[in-house]
Amino acid sequence: AQSVTQLDSQVPVFEEAPVELRCNYSSSVSVYLFWYVQYPNQGLQLLLKYLSGSTLVKGINGFEAEFNKSQTSFHLRKPSVHISDTAEYFCAVSDSNQFYFGTGTSLTVIP
Amino acid sequence: DTAVSQTPKYLVTQMGNDKSIKCEQNLGHDTMYWYKQDSKKFLKIMFSYNNKELIINETVPNRFSPKSPDKAHLNLHINSLELGDSAVYFCASSWTGGYNEQFFGPGTRLTVL
Repeated sequence: AQSVTQLDSQVPVFEEAPVELRCNYSSSVSVYLFWYVQYPNQGLQLLLKYLSGSTLVKGINGFEAEFNKSQTSFHLRKPSVHISDTAEYFCAVSDSNQFYFGTGTSLTVIP
Repeated sequence: DTAVSQTPKYLVTQMGNDKSIKCEQNLGHDTMYWYKQDSKKFLKIMFSYNNKELIINETVPNRFSPKSPDKAHLNLHINSLELGDSAVYFCASSWTGGYNEQFFGPGTRLTVL
């Protein structure tokens, strides 16, 4: 089974500042990687995913993530955050059978 | 059109009652899931189900049972509700295969008094 670690449970950041949300996973065998966002009182929606190919993946709302196989990481970044980015962010790893979610990072954008 | 829908959105009930949460997806997916999200936002997979196989997380009490009347629906039935069952329950669906993203419903907030 995989394990997914999101070391930062809460990340406060000022509006228009850059942000990086960290995600590490346990296994270096072939996996698929996802970032989801959960806005308050809503379900999860996909931000981006890495299946294969280019290690830099671009998603919705200006987010991007970089897959690093040697470090088993898939960190999420945005160069300039907005108030509307305040939400819970989940990293997920999938092998052939199952999704494994991290514990989430609460991003708070401060005006 | 809502891809994955759940009813009700809120459910308040007394300990010991039996309740059901309904889930429907109109994406034609072959696999559906139930997740539990606790007050700390931790997501825990409870069940995954396609027309061939039900996979149960062994930590889920047998008071919880998924029921699938057809491929587009996966309802969650809970017997003898306990205080610790209070949480937000999410339904999701996808195509079979780890490379396929899961699509989530809006959630059902269950409060057991």
